[in-house]
Amino acid sequence: EIVLTQSPGTLSLSPGERATLSCRASQSVSSSYLAWYQQKPGQAPRLLIYGASSRATGIPDRFSGSGSGTDFTLTISRLEPEDFAVYYCQQYGSSPTFGQGTKVEIK
Amino acid sequence: QVQLVQSGAEVKKPGASVKVSCKASGYTFTSYGISWVRQAPGQGLEWMGWISAYNGNTNYAQKLQGRVTMTTDTSTSTAYMELRSLRSDDTAVYYCARTQDAFDIWGQGTMVTVSS
Repeated sequence: EIVLTQSPGTLSLSPGERATLSCRASQSVSSSYLAWYQQKPGQAPRLLIYGASSRATGIPDRFSGSGSGTDFTLTISRLEPEDFAVYYCQQYGSSPTFGQGTKVEIK
Repeated sequence: QVQLVQSGAEVKKPGASVKVSCKASGYTFTSYGISWVRQAPGQGLEWMGWISAYNGNTNYAQKLQGRVTMTTDTSTSTAYMELRSLRSDDTAVYYCARTQDAFDIWGQGTMVTVSS
């Protein structure tokens, strides 16, 4: 099983600031089968990024993903009020796994 | 529009079974798979397994092998997840998600509470 470790656990930032979230895999993620999801309280997760760097339909361009192999990053260029949420990375190989999540909170 | 609508909340006793449904609309059901993901209260996301809506092939998480069964009914575009021998640590919100590679459309979630 591929273990995904996200850091930091919590990120305290102000609207307009840049957010950088990290996801490290215990072994190489094949074909960049790496996704990022956003989850707000009481809601289902929402796909933001797939294939490590492709934005899902309707996702604003302030969200970007990068990385390959074992190290991946989600960047939110300028935080909007609606971006404060929990973010999960996921590898979607034959047995998908999720990271434990990074909470982006208002400072 | 593309959506997945899940069945309502359930309360079960330990040792019982639960079957959650997930009705798809707005797309060709058999062109995608359905994954199931659960989230215990205050916790992260746990992948439970996947089923092909095209041919019924399944892939279950190892820790749930023997307790979980995923099925589909293509005549109604509905996927089902049955979990047996329920324990208190099965208390969670259960989500279905349309799957081609990543999980691009999610159901609203079904709360399953296991309590004596």
